[in-house]
Amino acid sequence: QKEVEQNSGPLSVPEGAIASLNCTYSDRVSQSFFWYRQYSGKSPELIMSIYSNGDKEDGRFTAQLNKASQYVSLLIRDSQPSDSATYLCAVNRSGGYQKVTFGIGTKLQVIP
Amino acid sequence: KAGVTQTPRYLIKTRGQQVTLSCSPISGHRSVSWYQQTPGQGLQFLFEYFSETQRNKGNFPGRFSGRQFSNSRSEMNVSTLELGDSALYLCASSSSGSKGDTQYFGPGTRLTVL
Repeated sequence: QKEVEQNSGPLSVPEGAIASLNCTYSDRVSQSFFWYRQYSGKSPELIMSIYSNGDKEDGRFTAQLNKASQYVSLLIRDSQPSDSATYLCAVNRSGGYQKVTFGIGTKLQVIP
Repeated sequence: KAGVTQTPRYLIKTRGQQVTLSCSPISGHRSVSWYQQTPGQGLQFLFEYFSETQRNKGNFPGRFSGRQFSNSRSEMNVSTLELGDSALYLCASSSSGSKGDTQYFGPGTRLTVL
């Protein structure tokens, strides 16, 4: 079982729709969760971080965390063609220092 | 504030050679992590340095090594290159490297091994 699992996609949504990206993780004691966006040929950039159960909203983005189910999601409202990218879920394991584990990433395509 | 910089941006080597990649973190950041990104495996953690000390290491063979200097700049070295080492190598810096700390990525070095 992979430590961080994502569906590689592609996930296609029409412009203006809500895109829902999902991620599960295996280490029950993981404490920090991140969503990165990576455009083709570019490096990842942080979109959201979440540490507590529940929802965290930032503009059109909402991250959701359910530690009991070991599940993290990212919702993108009013999806735009410029949101087309690969979205990486990342988990920082407990125990102190940085050792971030990334999922394979979900490719999102927003269709105009 | 200048971002994370990596040099060189592109590199072509042949099997058996060695390569050294460089990363300069954001000013004031003391933690540097290195990742390998391939289409099939995604982003995989190589190692993390803080104050010139390696604190964490991923599951890579000993051919992969790194170091960090007193100014927080970091280098990684790959010896005896194999075809499978072709990848995008990314470094990321953060202020302290503690869990929850935000990592900022550099543009990456694209390594091709022929």
